[in-house]
Amino acid sequence: GQQLNQSPQSMFIQEGEDVSMNCTSSSIFNTWLWYKQDPGEGPVLLIALYKAGELTSNGRLTAQFGITRKDSFLNISASIPSDVGIYFCAGRSGAGSYQLTFGKGTKLSVIP
Amino acid sequence: NAGVTQTPKFQVLKTGQSMTLQCAQDMNHEYMSWYRQDPGMGLRLIHYSVGAGITDQGEVPNGYNVSRSTTEDFPLRLLSAAPSQTSVYFCASSYDRDTEAFFGQGTRLTVV
Repeated sequence: GQQLNQSPQSMFIQEGEDVSMNCTSSSIFNTWLWYKQDPGEGPVLLIALYKAGELTSNGRLTAQFGITRKDSFLNISASIPSDVGIYFCAGRSGAGSYQLTFGKGTKLSVIP
Repeated sequence: NAGVTQTPKFQVLKTGQSMTLQCAQDMNHEYMSWYRQDPGMGLRLIHYSVGAGITDQGEVPNGYNVSRSTTEDFPLRLLSAAPSQTSVYFCASSYDRDTEAFFGQGTRLTVV
């Protein structure tokens, strides 16, 4: 099946620093989604991307849909302690497919 | 709004027992799906449904059954639980094929 390579697996940053994480795939995706998961909770959508090259912001978060349609990145600016959690990318290949393929997640720790 | 509601939140089963994980959504979404989340594996699709009366298999369907008799409900059945089914299970729903998925809070299942 399709696989998404998400990196880094984990990161420790100082409060106030910017963060960048990305996902790559060998397959083309028509939709890229970025989720955040807090402990004991379900994933919550952060940003949805539907067009190649699309750059979308949600507060301090910015995500881009790569022009090759095989990658996406998520940036978090000026991190704060509540940014702690696991961030997942997910892709949908389209062509009539509903299935989402998830990356394995990036665990973010913010040091106050 | 309740969104996607999963019950129970926690469950312990003995090997060979059967049970049903419940999922209900009040957003009138046509698309619903079940995922399992294991450490280091991200989320993997078990089964999904594109509307009442229609279901299909995802990436890891073995050992699980689903049905979709109403738009609101999408139960997941384990006919004979196995230790390999110990996992956290998430139900999700979407308005249509291309939009983002909304997740429930999860059911943590342990099979002993």
